[in-house]
Order: sequence, then C-alpha cells, then structure tokens
Amino acid sequence: DAKTTQPNSMESNEEEPVHLPCNHSTISGTDYIHWYRQLPSQGPEYVIHGLTSNVNNRMASLAIAEDRKSSTLILHRATLRDAAVYYCILRRHPLNYGGSQGNLIFGKGTKLSVKP
Amino acid sequence: EAQVTQNPRYLITVTGKKLTVTCSQNMNHEYMSWYRQDPGLGLRQIYYSMNVEVTDKGDVPEGYKVSRKEKRNFPLILESPSPNQTSLYFCASRPTYSGTSADTQYFGPGTRLTVL
Repeated sequence: DAKTTQPNSMESNEEEPVHLPCNHSTISGTDYIHWYRQLPSQGPEYVIHGLTSNVNNRMASLAIAEDRKSSTLILHRATLRDAAVYYCILRRHPLNYGGSQGNLIFGKGTKLSVKP
Repeated sequence: EAQVTQNPRYLITVTGKKLTVTCSQNMNHEYMSWYRQDPGLGLRQIYYSMNVEVTDKGDVPEGYKVSRKEKRNFPLILESPSPNQTSLYFCASRPTYSGTSADTQYFGPGTRLTVL
C-alpha cells in the first residue's frame, strides 16, 4: 500500500472545527482513502473513507484534493471526546487486494488534543 | 450489538508459560486479524485469516500461532511467551468484499499482555 504522511500532533479548542491533513503523493488510481481513529485505551474505529469526491457522514467530512495527492479530515465541532490518534490509510480497491487481502497498514497517525 | 470481544483484557504471565488470547465476533465476518501495538512502532499486523481454516502471516508473526476452526473465533496463541511480546494486542474483523467499498474493519477492545 502507498505511504501516507501526517503531522505528529495537533491541538484544537473545543467546539471549533479541526482540519487534519494527510499527504499521499504516491496514491494509485484504485486506492481508497480511509480514516480511522483510536481513542485512549480503545481499539481503532472507522471514521470515514472516500475515493475522489468529498464525503460526509455523522462523524466527519473528508475533503479530497483534485489530484488526490492529499486529503483532509474535518471535524466540524471538536469535542473533548474527539481527542484521539487519527490514522489516514490508503487501501486498494477490494477487487485488487491480491495477496495482502487489503490489510490495514497503520502509520503513526496524528494525535489530536482538544482543549476545553 | 455488533462487536469484537477479546479475553482476557489484562494478563501478566511469566516467560515460557503458554497462553491463549481469545477473540470472537458476532457479525459473521469472514476476515479476522491480530495486531500488536507498541510505543513508537504503532499497530503492526501479526496474522490474518480470510476464512475458516485459512490463515496467513502478517508483518510480525514470529512467536505467535493462530487457528481458525470456526468463523466467529480467532484465538492468538503464544506457545512460549518472551518479554519482547509484552504489548497491547487487538483483534479485528471485517466482511470480505461485498460489492461496496466500505469494507469497514471492526476492532476489539484490546488485551494488555505483560510477560515477566
């Protein structure tokens, strides 16, 4: 899977929007962009994913650059519960999983701190 | 409730004493996997299983065994634990490709293992 680059840490104030960037300059045309987060003392959980178009769900929005070499996870109003490590992961289309079976490869992620 | 469960959640043992960490999912997922998480190294995959009786090595399989005799269970076995296997372990499951791109992976709550 192609590599992603994220800042080690970011800070936000409660109830303000947060934009978490991810660079993936070697992304291939069939790679999906997935975001997971890991709250303290918990297992990772799925946040959102996309291919080319921007995506919204109840947790967050995902903005994907036109050339797909970068993306931004947007938390519209950060809460204290959003403090976590956020992972940006590229995954091949399931039809192209091949031998790796589409295993998730986690980088170091971005540790988000939310101040009250 | 859809979930992945692991037992035990915490375990302290001694070098060489065989142990098993159980993992069970109630979502009828074909794919299951095990990760370990260590400070500075992030989440690394140990083993994965595409279905019953089908398992394969991940990135760090040395010192571990797995079995998949039933679809819902995927135990992790440490035949002769050593201190370098002290870590936080996560089990995960997901469906195989179903025609959608979501392919969300669900993680268990984690098992913190200390080998003295």
